[in-house]
Amino acid sequence: SQTIHQWPATLVQPVGSPLSLECTVEGTSNPNLYWYRQAAGRGLQLLFYSVGIGQISSEVPQNLSASRPQDRQFILSSKKLLLSDSGFYLCAWSPGPSYSEQYFGPGTRLTVT
Amino acid sequence: AQSVTQLGSHVSVSEGALVLLRCNYSSSVPPYLFWYVQYPNQGLQLLLKYTSAATLVKGINGFEAEFKKSETSFHLTKPSAHMSDAAEYFCAVSDLYSSASKIIFGSGTRLSIRP
Repeated sequence: SQTIHQWPATLVQPVGSPLSLECTVEGTSNPNLYWYRQAAGRGLQLLFYSVGIGQISSEVPQNLSASRPQDRQFILSSKKLLLSDSGFYLCAWSPGPSYSEQYFGPGTRLTVT
Repeated sequence: AQSVTQLGSHVSVSEGALVLLRCNYSSSVPPYLFWYVQYPNQGLQLLLKYTSAATLVKGINGFEAEFKKSETSFHLTKPSAHMSDAAEYFCAVSDLYSSASKIIFGSGTRLSIRP
């Protein structure tokens, strides 16, 4: 069966510090991968998605970036965090083809102080 | 463009009562629809999905949803609420113009259960 991991589970970082969140999927190959952010009391915002190694699409311009160095690894990064980057970050995968459901990881709670 | 609207950001029901969470969609073509549940500080879990095979879809934890094309609705129901059903529920629709299985989520409905 497929599983999705995210780490760390929680993170407290000062403003201006770098960020690296990691997501890995097991038990499948060539998944579509997604990064979402959920601000406190708000819905889901799609940040990035990837349909293959090195292929990243950005949904919202911001100071975050994403990379996919391996088939089942998706990384969310920032060079300098802002207070507004605080939130709950969720990674998800889908098997494709189009119209497939997505499966979510446990999330990372990021607090920027 | 496709979208989903969840009516009611917060719904409160008594334990044992009927749960009804409302979702309306907008789509120019037959949609694929989903309901997800999110417990506090956890990721989203797929409850059920509609892919045009049957209008009444049964999901996990006793939930079901009925696709009504005439009403463009996909409401989520459960006959008898349990305390463990307290969570955030998201209705979602497949973005049919995306080749990357993107999903468009509603704003969510928080379900509270009164003892």
